[in-house]
Formats: sequence, structure tokens, C-alpha cells
Amino acid sequence: DVKVTQSSRYLVKRTGEKVFLECVQDMDHENMFWYRQDPGLGLRLIYFSYDVKMKEKGDIPEGYSVSREKKERFSLILESASTNQTSMYLCASSFSNNEQFFGPGTRLTVL
Amino acid sequence: EDQVTQSPEALRLQEGESSSLNCSYTVSGLRGLFWYRQDPGKGPEFLFTLYSAGEEKEKERLKATLTKKESFLHITAPKPEDSATYLCAVSASGGSYIPTFGRGTSLIVHP
Repeated sequence: DVKVTQSSRYLVKRTGEKVFLECVQDMDHENMFWYRQDPGLGLRLIYFSYDVKMKEKGDIPEGYSVSREKKERFSLILESASTNQTSMYLCASSFSNNEQFFGPGTRLTVL
Repeated sequence: EDQVTQSPEALRLQEGESSSLNCSYTVSGLRGLFWYRQDPGKGPEFLFTLYSAGEEKEKERLKATLTKKESFLHITAPKPEDSATYLCAVSASGGSYIPTFGRGTSLIVHP
């Protein structure tokens, strides 16, 4: 059974903190994605990685960075968290341009 | 630019009242159209991939169909447990591995 896991389901951080969100997939997929999802705005792509150490900016990369040192792991970093980064963060993986498999999501609250 | 429009935004049904959700798309060469189900506070769950016009896929009370311009998700005799947001996405055959998502249809089935 395919599996994408995320390091936390719920996270509460303070403004200015550095935040790490981790995602691990066990399907040997080369593509991994980070999205944020906000009511009324749908899924918005933050970053995409198509191979180890490779990354592309998505629609809203400002305030975020990513790291992919191993094929199965894709990390999202908020360098200095702000209240407008309070959101649901979703990780996904895929093989080629086939269907994506999503993790359970991390609900991040920045106070 | 690839576009996906889902309608209606929200749909309320009585248990047993069949209906359809629409996904209209424009894409420069369709590689695949994907349907997902998303429960509140969770990540999207993959349902179907459709590749070419005329194709149909079924799973329990759900049937997805595809034409050259749109896809329908038909829900037959829905039950309250079918309540969820249904997302549609398309991937293009041009080489990008980044799918384009619609905003989703929120379905509520009343007992």
C-alpha cells in the first residue's frame, strides 16, 4: 500500500521561529511536491522537486525553502514563520506525470 | 496556460439522490485527468485517472467519465459517508510534472 507520511499532524509555532516540515514517501517516486491549502484558495504549489537535490519554485515560494537530500524525503522550511503562513500544508509524490499521492497534512498555526 | 474549473462549488443532496459533479478543462495535450476525494482536515485521496475521451472508471457509487473538454463524476444513490470535497486535476503531455487543480466541489449528503 502506497504511503506518504508527514512529520506532524498539528504544529504551533511563534512568529520568527524557523519551522521544518518533513515528508517521506515509500513508493520510490522521483517527484515530490509541497502545497498549502487555504479556504477558498484551493491547493497552491509552493515547491516541486523532480530528483534528489533538484527543485523548482511553484506559485508561492516566498518565505519558504526546501531540501531534498534523499529520494524518499522532501523537507519544507519556513525560515522565519509569520502569521500569514498559518495554513494546512500538504506533501505529495508522483511517478512521472501520473496521479499524486498525498500525505495526511500538517495543520500549522503561527502565533 | 492549463485551466480547470469545477462546478458547482457546493452541492447538497438527500441520501439516495443521484447527481453529477463537473470538471471543465483546457490543457495543451491531455496526459491524464485525476479525481480525488478530500475529507475535512485530511489530505486528498486518489480516486481515478482517465486518459482519453470516452473512458469511464467506476468505484462503488462513483463513476467518472471523460470527454475532450470535461469530466463528470456521477454519484449514484449517495450516502452520508460520500460527503467530502471532490478535486479534479489535469496533467499535460508537454513534459511538466506539475498538475493543475480545480478548486473542488464540496458535497454534503443529508440522511
